Amino acid sequence: QLQLQESGPGLVKPSETLSLTCTVSGGSISSSSYYWGWIRQPPGKGLEWIGSIYYSGSTYYNPSLKSRVTISVDTSKNQFSLKLSSVTAADTAVYYCASPVSNPRGWFDPWGQGTLVTVSS
Amino acid sequence: EIVLTQSPGTLSLSPGERATLSCRASQSVSSSYLAWYQQKPGQAPRLLIYGASSRATGIPDRFSGSGSGTDFTLTISRLEPEDFAVYYCQQYGSSPPTFGPGTKVDIK
Repeated sequence: QLQLQESGPGLVKPSETLSLTCTVSGGSISSSSYYWGWIRQPPGKGLEWIGSIYYSGSTYYNPSLKSRVTISVDTSKNQFSLKLSSVTAADTAVYYCASPVSNPRGWFDPWGQGTLVTVSS
Repeated sequence: EIVLTQSPGTLSLSPGERATLSCRASQSVSSSYLAWYQQKPGQAPRLLIYGASSRATGIPDRFSGSGSGTDFTLTISRLEPEDFAVYYCQQYGSSPPTFGPGTKVDIK
């Protein structure tokens, strides 16, 4: 049973780069069966897809964030990562890693528990 | 991108009642590529329905999804105490995938 767990700093300064990692258990990140993705949710608001990656390294980004986002895979650690540059207060959110099913922009299952990242000086 | 609108914003019902939640898309969702999620406070969303009407593994049959094109519905036939939560729809037929703003189902 696939399980995902986010980790990373809970506080990031404005203009800096947000970095998060998602550790996968119960399955191989190198499996051709899975895609891997990031979704965020500002406090009290709705959900926004950030982007997805395949184990081969192919990436798919939301055009609204594309200029600031990098998603990568570390097969040796069974992890994938998110980097979001030049953050502002508007990037304060709970960040979830999740597995999009059947294609990089599919429905998402399962999800990690989420991690709150606050952008503040 | 496809914009999803959910109605009502809040639905106040009693346990045992039927809940009908609506999700409307700004343009047709190809191949009924629509999913529904349940989210409780402090928790991640949980997949309920994909492909507009297919229940995810372990989801009780009181949850059902229907619709096509631009209009989709999630129905909870008889509300259980654990069903009071926020429900989101998501389309994945067009890039980028997008989510609706959510419908909160609370206890009347």
